[in-house]
Amino acid sequence: DTGVSQDPRHKITKRGQNVTFRCDPISEHNRLYWYRQTLGQGPEFLTYFQNEAQLEKSRLLSDRFSAERPKGSFSTLEIQRTEQGDSAMYLCASSLASGVLYEQYFGPGTRLTVT
Amino acid sequence: SQQGEEDPQALSIQEGENATMNCSYKTSINNLQWYRQNSGRGLVHLILIRSNEREKHSGRLRVTLDTSKKSSSLLITASRAADTASYFCATVRSGNTPLVFGKGTRLSVIA
Repeated sequence: DTGVSQDPRHKITKRGQNVTFRCDPISEHNRLYWYRQTLGQGPEFLTYFQNEAQLEKSRLLSDRFSAERPKGSFSTLEIQRTEQGDSAMYLCASSLASGVLYEQYFGPGTRLTVT
Repeated sequence: SQQGEEDPQALSIQEGENATMNCSYKTSINNLQWYRQNSGRGLVHLILIRSNEREKHSGRLRVTLDTSKKSSSLLITASRAADTASYFCATVRSGNTPLVFGKGTRLSVIA
């Protein structure tokens, strides 16, 4: 499968624990995005990378959230000291940085449940 | 914050009928895109329309864009049960800005 993959697909954790999610983009894509989606809502942008550089972060990305893309390939999103409000689907997407007219390819998402 | 608002929030139709979903947005855009999401899964890109385009077709999909009214519509013709999904519009303001999604329309196509 040459699409965007995410791991794990589901994560249940207790409040206060740290969690880390991984995203593997399509290999030739140099842009990688993270979104969060809660039930009944559209995805909300969290952050994005061009190669290994993190170019933009949303105000939604509190200090407890950190994302990395160390070698410009896969990315990780870590949430420290999880709260119940962090329960959501975390979506990763990738695209070519070929100007404005790009489409994003989404992974299946990681569903996080904080108990 | 989400820029787009889809209308209606939910739509239920019979197989073979046409489905029309509308999207309104707030700021000027470079392009608008429509995505589909099956329950509990990632999003799939359907179609992109540039701000200087008024209408675009792709298979059974027809998208219109009215920048003066800051609105777009997605028409799915001859719907099938497999079209059952949530549909989102997403806007791009400029080259380096991320997609801004609306809340989506949940479409149910009944066989």
